[in-house]
Amino acid sequence: EVQMVDSGGGWVQPGRSLRLSCKNSGFTLGDYAVTWFRQATGKGLEWVGFIRSKDYGGTTEYGASVKGRFTISRDDSKNIAYLQMDSLKTEDTAVYYCTRGLGIPGDYFDYWGQGTVVTVSS
Amino acid sequence: DIQMTQSPSSLPASVGDRVTITCRASQTVGTYVNWYRQTPGRPPKLLIYATSNLQSGVPSRFSGSGSGTDFTLSISSLQPEDFATYYCQQSYSTPWTFGQGTKVEIK
Repeated sequence: EVQMVDSGGGWVQPGRSLRLSCKNSGFTLGDYAVTWFRQATGKGLEWVGFIRSKDYGGTTEYGASVKGRFTISRDDSKNIAYLQMDSLKTEDTAVYYCTRGLGIPGDYFDYWGQGTVVTVSS
Repeated sequence: DIQMTQSPSSLPASVGDRVTITCRASQTVGTYVNWYRQTPGRPPKLLIYATSNLQSGVPSRFSGSGSGTDFTLSISSLQPEDFATYYCQQSYSTPWTFGQGTKVEIK
């Protein structure tokens, strides 16, 4: 069964760091891009960024609100991807979802993690 | 960035109704529009990809159409599990962006 499991959320003070993990099962993570989205309570969905598969260069792209603060990485040997979040702000408070995708035009997201909650507050 | 604007924002409906949600892009997105359904506390579920392709396992009462800047999601006969929020999303150019959502509510 295909699954994405995201974890690592919690409460953190502004300016601090947190690392989220995304583990998969049922398919080879290395064949896909890993994309992160977030959703603040009662709000819509926001694209955070993605890391492409090695076949597409393993490159990353980020949304403007997180660029320079967040870093996505992957370890295909362990079927895991990470979202390193540094210099966190209160506006980063949200549910974070990892998904599999392509990282190219025409991308779509068929499997999502259950979401992990990040709360940034003093 | 490409803005996706959905209408309506709220849609009162009854079981068995046919409902239509529209999504307009601020510039052309070809046919690279996907549709998702989300219920509270759950991740989005992919319904339609690339404008009109039904995702595996999704009931045939869902259909999508459009091209360029104007897109539509239709539900032919609303079921109880369809009372939820629906989002369109473009993957023509990064940043991938979503519409603000359409909440289908019980009339």
